[in-house]
Parts: sequence; C-alpha cells; structure tokens
Amino acid sequence: DSGVTQTPKHLITATGQRVTLRCSPRSGDLSVYWYQQSLDQGLQFLIQYYNGEERAKGNILERFSAQQFPDLHSELNLSSLELGDSALYFCASGGLGVQETQYFGPGTRLLVL
Amino acid sequence: QQQVKQSPQSLIVQKGGISIINCAYENTAFDYFPWYQQFPGKGPALLIAIRPDVSEKKEGRFTISFNKSAKQFSLHIMDSQPGDSATYFCAASSLAGGYNKLIFGAGTRLAVHP
Repeated sequence: DSGVTQTPKHLITATGQRVTLRCSPRSGDLSVYWYQQSLDQGLQFLIQYYNGEERAKGNILERFSAQQFPDLHSELNLSSLELGDSALYFCASGGLGVQETQYFGPGTRLLVL
Repeated sequence: QQQVKQSPQSLIVQKGGISIINCAYENTAFDYFPWYQQFPGKGPALLIAIRPDVSEKKEGRFTISFNKSAKQFSLHIMDSQPGDSATYFCAASSLAGGYNKLIFGAGTRLAVHP
C-alpha cells in the first residue's frame, strides 16, 4: 500500500458527460501528479501540483482540468468525455526535492460508453 | 525529444534466469532514471532509480546499468522468480526546477516460468 488513495475505483459514464476523480496524497507529501494509462498511449504525465500551485503540465487536454486544495487532496475533472478518454487514471504523490520518489495510487478505471 | 524507447515489449524467462530490459532516451536534459514495477490492478511502484553520475546501481537482485554516452539504460533482474512476473516501465525526467515529470517507456511484460 503506497499510502495514496484514489476514488472512485471504477467509473462508467457516457460520452459528453463530466466526471471528477479524487486523490489524497501520502501524509506529508506536497506534490500530486496525475497520469493517464491507456493501451495505445501508455503511461502519460498530465499535470503536477505542488502545495496548491500548478507546477508542470504535460499532454493534458483542454477538456481536462485539475486542482489541489488546501488540505492537499487533488481532483482531476474530465469534461465532454469521449470514447478515447477511457483509461486508467493514476495519481502519484511525492515531494519536490531531487530524486523524489513518486508513490502511485491504485488508480481509477474510467470507461466511457 | 521527450521519448523514451523500451524493449522488448514482452519477455519470457525461466525461473533462476536473468531478465534484461533495455531503454533508450533522446533528451540529454534527463537526469533521473527510475524503473517502476506494476502488477495487474495496481499502480506502478518504484523499483530502483539511478542518476547519470554513476554507471551502475544494484539493489538486491535488481541492477540498473547506465550508459550516458549511448543514452541507454537497462534493468537486469538476477535469479528471476515467478513473483517477478509483472509489467516493468523505465522512465526519465529532468529534476531541474523541481519538476519531476516522468516520461515513461511503453512497458515490458515479464513472465517468469517455474
């Protein structure tokens, strides 16, 4: 158990809908990272937050947004969902220093029908 | 220039054998190279990592070999066990500025047969 929690574990929704994925980092970790894992794209970095501030952005679609709250939990919002958004979404937490390990949560499996 | 190429896609090894997975990168700004292990239904977990100032790092049965001039690094699993059967991902990032944006390889599915 990495200490990172993600909810929900599974999510089934329809095209055009909006969903929110939630992540609680390990105690003491200030950074939260979001990744998408799909069969065709592999594991892709989406976005990083550190202590409430956006730090780095990857291949995150404009339909996707994220935020980190004062209690350090983070939410990833996916809107106008398309079939191709079906994937595993992982949250990872860590610090900001050099060689900081990223601890991954169990993921949220999203299925868009 | 952000790509990390990983091979092979899948690997079958007999128990007690050596598993070798290779990765190559293009971006010379990368300065952190971790390997992650992922079991079905679980998130990736850090296995071992290396910085480019050393050519080899060993932790138990797992060894990373790093060749800076060739921009290649590899994972060796000695005395492979059935419990090592999982998907392995190499990754790379540049830690400058505190951004630890991991760029992952495509993954290698390892099966260790008893």
